[in-house]
Amino acid sequence: QSALTQPASVSGSPGQSIAISCTGTSSDVGGGYNSVSWYQQYPGKVPKLVIYDVNKRPSGVSDRFSGSQSGNTASLTISGLQAEDEADYYCISFTSRNIYVFGSGTEVTVL
Amino acid sequence: EMQLVESGGGLVQPGGSLRLSCAASGFTLRNYWMSWVRQGPGKGLEWVANIDHDGSQKNYIDSVKGRFTISRDNAQNSLYLEMNSLRAEDTAVYYCLKYGGWYFDCWGQGTLVSVSS
Repeated sequence: QSALTQPASVSGSPGQSIAISCTGTSSDVGGGYNSVSWYQQYPGKVPKLVIYDVNKRPSGVSDRFSGSQSGNTASLTISGLQAEDEADYYCISFTSRNIYVFGSGTEVTVL
Repeated sequence: EMQLVESGGGLVQPGGSLRLSCAASGFTLRNYWMSWVRQGPGKGLEWVANIDHDGSQKNYIDSVKGRFTISRDNAQNSLYLEMNSLRAEDTAVYYCLKYGGWYFDCWGQGTLVSVSS
């Protein structure tokens, strides 16, 4: 099972919006499970859940984070970009083989 | 407060074995699927295995099938990962995780496994 495809890096200026894509196949992201979740990870730290079930936001996560999906591609959008958003972001999806697969990870840089 | 604490990591030679443990607290372990995820040095996250509530269903990524075994002891509130025939590419921080649905709602701090001669 190959990793889901994410851009290696995305950057933006403070206040801007950025989107991170997560592309899979009809056997995972596009499989109808609505299972995609997103995790934020600072260097040396444990990942933190920011979006689950494609577009749901956990309690305590800023409403600047939103998720969506179209076909085999899920997306995480960060609006009103802030310095504290600089981190690595990973998507993950359930698959038809009853296993999960992470995305390759995206480094977000705030210019 | 939900908490997961891993232990058992360390340095092992190629071909060797290790058993990771994960102690759960703040929730009833038997009610949840559990999983192990790893992250190699400077690399991304990789899902490794999961196990259902009573241990009757187990799933693994291809690269660890036949070498790793996930198990649980609900009475002891513990999750395990038995790792045999270890390879250099298994070197990683191993995280114990609790499922909240399709997603992970609790992560441990991780335990480092280094496979080297």
